[in-house]
Amino acid sequence: QQQVKQSPQSLIVQKGGISIINCAYENTAFDYFPWYQQFPGKGPALLIAIRPDVSEKKEGRFTISFNKSAKQFSLHIMDSQPGDSATYFCAASNTGGFKTIFGAGTRLFVKA
Amino acid sequence: EADIYQTPRYLVIGTGKKITLECSQTMGHDKMYWYQQDPGMELHLIHYSYGVNSTEKGDLSSESTVSRIRTEHFPLTLESARPSHTSQYLCASSDDRHQETQYFGPGTRLLVL
Repeated sequence: QQQVKQSPQSLIVQKGGISIINCAYENTAFDYFPWYQQFPGKGPALLIAIRPDVSEKKEGRFTISFNKSAKQFSLHIMDSQPGDSATYFCAASNTGGFKTIFGAGTRLFVKA
Repeated sequence: EADIYQTPRYLVIGTGKKITLECSQTMGHDKMYWYQQDPGMELHLIHYSYGVNSTEKGDLSSESTVSRIRTEHFPLTLESARPSHTSQYLCASSDDRHQETQYFGPGTRLLVL
């Protein structure tokens, strides 16, 4: 019920390609779905987030697609760049409760 | 750039030693958290705090303890370190208005020999 399942575990993409990372959740009480980006030696930092009242949110090259009925959401990185190489975590939480459940992370490597 | 700091960044210590990992934030956030992160694994919440003098254990059982005497400071203590405590420890904070968004420190990488 509390898990957030993330895939793939690792991803290699050519520069300029599209990176896609998927997550699925069980708990329908979750209403906030952030993605965090973590570079080596740093803590995770919020990249982009979505609430279930919209099906898509775009910020620059980063887009979250959200499917409420399937309880799935995904991160798309358009025109992937070597600087995007990092570990990406999806997460879920609910308003009012402040516990955040994190996925296991996806290690992205963008080849130049 | 979040104003949340952790020291030390790296620590190698022998079994049985007492250690304290420091975490400070200058954003005035009421809520603070400690996570344990192993390579390739998700972040596991081990402690959290609603505010001064309020601490709770998280979802992952931990032999560590925390204190919250000042809003900006949330140290984590291991009374007797063991090799099983080897991990990365991440501190985070959030404010009341946007409590779902957490700001993370750079982490402390701990190795217990």
